[in-house]
Amino acid sequence: GENVEQHPSTLSVQEGDSAVIKCTYSDSASNYFPWYKQELGKRPQLIIDIRSNVGEKKDQRIAVTLNKTAKHFSLHITETQPEDSAVYFCAANLAGTASKLTFGTGTRLQVTL
Amino acid sequence: DVKVTQSSRYLVKRTGEKVFLECVQDMDHENMFWYRQDPGLGLRLIYFSYDVKMKEKGDIPEGYSVSREKKERFSLILESASTNQTSMYLCASRLGGSTDTQYFGPGTRLTVL
Repeated sequence: GENVEQHPSTLSVQEGDSAVIKCTYSDSASNYFPWYKQELGKRPQLIIDIRSNVGEKKDQRIAVTLNKTAKHFSLHITETQPEDSAVYFCAANLAGTASKLTFGTGTRLQVTL
Repeated sequence: DVKVTQSSRYLVKRTGEKVFLECVQDMDHENMFWYRQDPGLGLRLIYFSYDVKMKEKGDIPEGYSVSREKKERFSLILESASTNQTSMYLCASRLGGSTDTQYFGPGTRLTVL
């Protein structure tokens, strides 16, 4: 089955700096890589995703890059703000209709003033 | 707007009790999932269902069962609750294949005494 590793487990950055979270996956058949943000006491919510037919995707201050050869993908947040403080989860799928997402263990991002 | 609801936000049960956690989605999604979330372990899949009366084991199904009698409702059952099942339980739903967005419920924090 799929295995997803996520690093770092905690990350502290100053407001305005960039943050990078990295994930690796094991199944070369995976073709969908979403990122979820979970604020304290709230449900995980999708913030960005990438499919295996592209190498990079951007949405305002967040971007995701994918290296299929190396089987890793990363979340980049620029100009961080206090409201970016949350736990971020990466995930990867197994191709197929009835397949599941396998999640990483999460990164707690703290943006300090 | 997709809505996934869970029957309780907080639940306290005693060892050996039978526990039911209910999840309802209102968007006619085919797939529904139950995860547990523990610090440092991320989101681990317990069971999922891709159709009414269909179920598949996830990564940690031991000690749990599920029921899906109607498309909109997916129940997680702890036949005999144990203290190591104290956790946050998250339900999720997804319209179709694994590249569709997965939406989470607000979670149920279960404490087993």
